Amino acid sequence: GAVVSQHPSRVICKSGTSVKIECRSLDFQATTMFWYRQFPKQSLMLMATSNEGSKATYEQGVEKDKFLINHASLTLSTLTVTSAHPEDSSFYICSAQIVEGTRSGEPQHFGDGTRLSIL
Amino acid sequence: AQSVTQLGSHVSVSEGALVLLRCNYSSSVPPYLFWYVQYPNQGLQLLLKYTSAATLVKGINGFEAEFKKSETSFHLTKPSAHMSDAAEYFCAVTHSNDYKLSFGAGTTVTVRA
Repeated sequence: GAVVSQHPSRVICKSGTSVKIECRSLDFQATTMFWYRQFPKQSLMLMATSNEGSKATYEQGVEKDKFLINHASLTLSTLTVTSAHPEDSSFYICSAQIVEGTRSGEPQHFGDGTRLSIL
Repeated sequence: AQSVTQLGSHVSVSEGALVLLRCNYSSSVPPYLFWYVQYPNQGLQLLLKYTSAATLVKGINGFEAEFKKSETSFHLTKPSAHMSDAAEYFCAVTHSNDYKLSFGAGTTVTVRA
């Protein structure tokens, strides 16, 4: 159980293109989804927290207009990298948490990540 | 505030040997602690979690971890390493007053034949 699907797994596109990444919880409802960025040989960096039906909360230093997050339902959140440039190339990972999981120590469940390469 | 320190960015063990990955946490309130494993170009998979029940936690793939409050530690062990254990391992902490996970820097495990 607790499967999170992330799509696409890899994207290669030209500079200036906007790229949308989907994160779906397949067998549970997720009030909260998280978006992370991971640089090579480094840990995960939280970009934003996405709550169903409300605006995402961005971490300090993350550009809201560059990284658009939508959480339209309890099973789907999307991250759109707008007008992507080579410096946006990275590994992006989403995670989802079961409703009310936060207060009970329920873990975040992670997708398989998206490798974004901007040429 | 909460944080995690993983001692040792790289651990190399022989196949069949003990695997020991160290994690120390800092938290002003009782923590929830997790160990995740990441294989190349993949997301994170939960190995085990501590949520204030038993202090010795058993996880998947033969891993276990012991929560020691006095030492603020949550070290991960596996009695006998397998080649398939080669991966990146992350310790993480959160608590009931916050939903964010704080990750350690990660430890790369290599297994020698």
